[in-house]
Amino acid sequence: GAVVSQHPSRVICKSGTSVKIECRSLDFQATTMFWYRQFPKQSLMLMATSNEGSKATYEQGVEKDKFLINHASLTLSTLTVTSAHPEDSSFYICSASYGSSPYEQYFGPGTRLTVT
Amino acid sequence: QKEVEQNSGPLSVPEGAIASLNCTYSDRGSQSFFWYRQYSGKSPELIMFIYSNGDKEDGRFTAQLNKASQYVSLLIRDSQPSDSATYLCAVTGTASKLTFGTGTRLQVTL
Repeated sequence: GAVVSQHPSRVICKSGTSVKIECRSLDFQATTMFWYRQFPKQSLMLMATSNEGSKATYEQGVEKDKFLINHASLTLSTLTVTSAHPEDSSFYICSASYGSSPYEQYFGPGTRLTVT
Repeated sequence: QKEVEQNSGPLSVPEGAIASLNCTYSDRGSQSFFWYRQYSGKSPELIMFIYSNGDKEDGRFTAQLNKASQYVSLLIRDSQPSDSATYLCAVTGTASKLTFGTGTRLQVTL
């Protein structure tokens, strides 16, 4: 149980284009979904937290107009990187939690974004 | 001061030995503590979580928490080569979100 999927697993895009990453909870309803970014040899950095039907809460330093998050249902959240630049190249990972324990997060397999 | 600190390693232990991974945190109000395992190029996988002072055992893994010292550790008994990975300590503070350490790379040698 508690399986989270992400699509695509890898994406290469040109500078200036936008990329959408999907995160789905497959066997549970996720009350909260989280988006992280991880650069090589660094830890996971939380970008934003989203609850179904609400606007996402972004961490300090994360541009909400550049990283658009939509949490349309209890099983789907999307992250759109708008006008991507090479410095946005990273490993993007979503996680989801449910029930009364928001701290037990289940991670998706991640999306490797490369911007050329 | 980093909120969650871990020695980056690598920590090298022979197969069958006990691996001891340590983590300190700065927020005294931290509530929950997690250990994740991350293989290269993959996303983190939850191994254990602990909320109360003391030890918590699950198979070959034991998590130890000392809130007074703001210290949490993970012991891996009978280490196997497949345990070779980066181990991330994560803490939920008063902001109720996970804060990760940079991870300790464990190498289990044959």
